[in-house]
Amino acid sequence: KAGVTQTPRYLIKTRGQQVTLSCSPISGHRSVSWYQQTPGQGLQFLFEYFSETQRNKGNFPGRFSGRQFSNSRSEMNVSTLELGDSALYLCASSLQLGTAWGSGANVLTFGAGSRLTVL
Amino acid sequence: AQTVTQSQPEMSVQEAETVTLSCTYDTSESDYYLFWYKQPPSRQMILVIRQEAYKQQNATENRFSVNFQKAAKSFSLKISDSQLGDAAMYFCAYRSAETSGSRLTFGEGTQLTVNP
Repeated sequence: KAGVTQTPRYLIKTRGQQVTLSCSPISGHRSVSWYQQTPGQGLQFLFEYFSETQRNKGNFPGRFSGRQFSNSRSEMNVSTLELGDSALYLCASSLQLGTAWGSGANVLTFGAGSRLTVL
Repeated sequence: AQTVTQSQPEMSVQEAETVTLSCTYDTSESDYYLFWYKQPPSRQMILVIRQEAYKQQNATENRFSVNFQKAAKSFSLKISDSQLGDAAMYFCAYRSAETSGSRLTFGEGTQLTVNP
């Protein structure tokens, strides 16, 4: 079955603009997480959505927001872009939200990422 | 808060040899998962292996195995019979099993080079 699909793969924006990134999870997966990857800060958790509700949030400013639709597809938005927002944004999906022992249901499957460059 | 540390920014290995990547973590929780992810130049994160903290037996997946030392909070990855395709950035990651959600805390990564 198809993996996690992220669009667009590459994009260039200028400071002050806003951007929207999209993530389509694996069919049947209901949890979607977003991560930011930069050379300086590494991989940092942005937020997680499950059943159209934000369940967890990382330590990012309010310029970073997201949402999830009824088909589990998710979007993240960054407003008033800054140079430091240049990064690879990774989306990951999992079957469910929870802590079931011994289950692979919580294993994250990542997409190929969206590379954002802010000029 | 949990932290994950990978003290080896870069490692290299000869093809067909064995290499071990180190990872330590800090947590006050007793229930958690640990993972090794691989990120090749394509940038797609690929799950290599996972370990549930309650299991004493070390996980293995073909040429990949871990040495999980819960008391020492150590979780190293051994790659046997290294292949050119193993060259990638490897990330160690922690996930709580005591709180809901799939949030991962990643280490800084180890860049593995495989020499022919």
